[in-house]
Amino acid sequence: EIVMTQSPATLSVSPGERATLSCRASQSVSSNLAWYQQKPGQAPRLLIYGASTRATGIPARFSGSGSGTEFTLTISSLQSEDFAVYYCQQYNNWPPLTFGQGTKVEIK
Amino acid sequence: EVQLVESGGGLVQPGGSLRLSCAASGFTFSSYDMHWVRQATGKGLEWVSAIGTAGDPYYPGSVKGRFTISRENAKNSLYLQMNSLRAGDTAVYYCARWGYDSAFDYWGQGTLVTVSS
Repeated sequence: EIVMTQSPATLSVSPGERATLSCRASQSVSSNLAWYQQKPGQAPRLLIYGASTRATGIPARFSGSGSGTEFTLTISSLQSEDFAVYYCQQYNNWPPLTFGQGTKVEIK
Repeated sequence: EVQLVESGGGLVQPGGSLRLSCAASGFTFSSYDMHWVRQATGKGLEWVSAIGTAGDPYYPGSVKGRFTISRENAKNSLYLQMNSLRAGDTAVYYCARWGYDSAFDYWGQGTLVTVSS
């Protein structure tokens, strides 16, 4: 099973600032990595797939990078609606599909 | 508009059974792999099962032998039969579509399953 580890657990950021979230895989997942955003009481929402491709309707301030075992999600200028929990997920080697434990982006 | 609507959640005693349903609309259901993902309160996401377009099922070790995923394309419906339920199965269960570009591109709103005596 591929273990996905996200850091930090919580990120405190001021509106308008840049946020950088990390995700590490226990073995290479190539570029088969997705990022999701989840707000309280809502289902997750796909942001990024293929490590760096934005999903339909996702603003350009969200960008993904990385390959192999190290990945980054960057939010260039945080808006109020971006405060949420973010999960990475690998789909290179499954079953099982595996998620990271999440990074909560909170208002500083 | 793609919609996924789960139902069937509720309170069940340990050792009991429950069947979840997911009604799909707005897309050609038979052409997509479908999954169940769960989330315990305050916890992260956990993949529960998948079913391919040909009906091939996949499970993680934590539910294999206890859960059965199935689909009925004529009714645009996905199911999850859960047997031998444990307290650790308590969670919101989401139905999710696996997109052609890979990854879960659409999710339902979830249905809560509580396993407790």
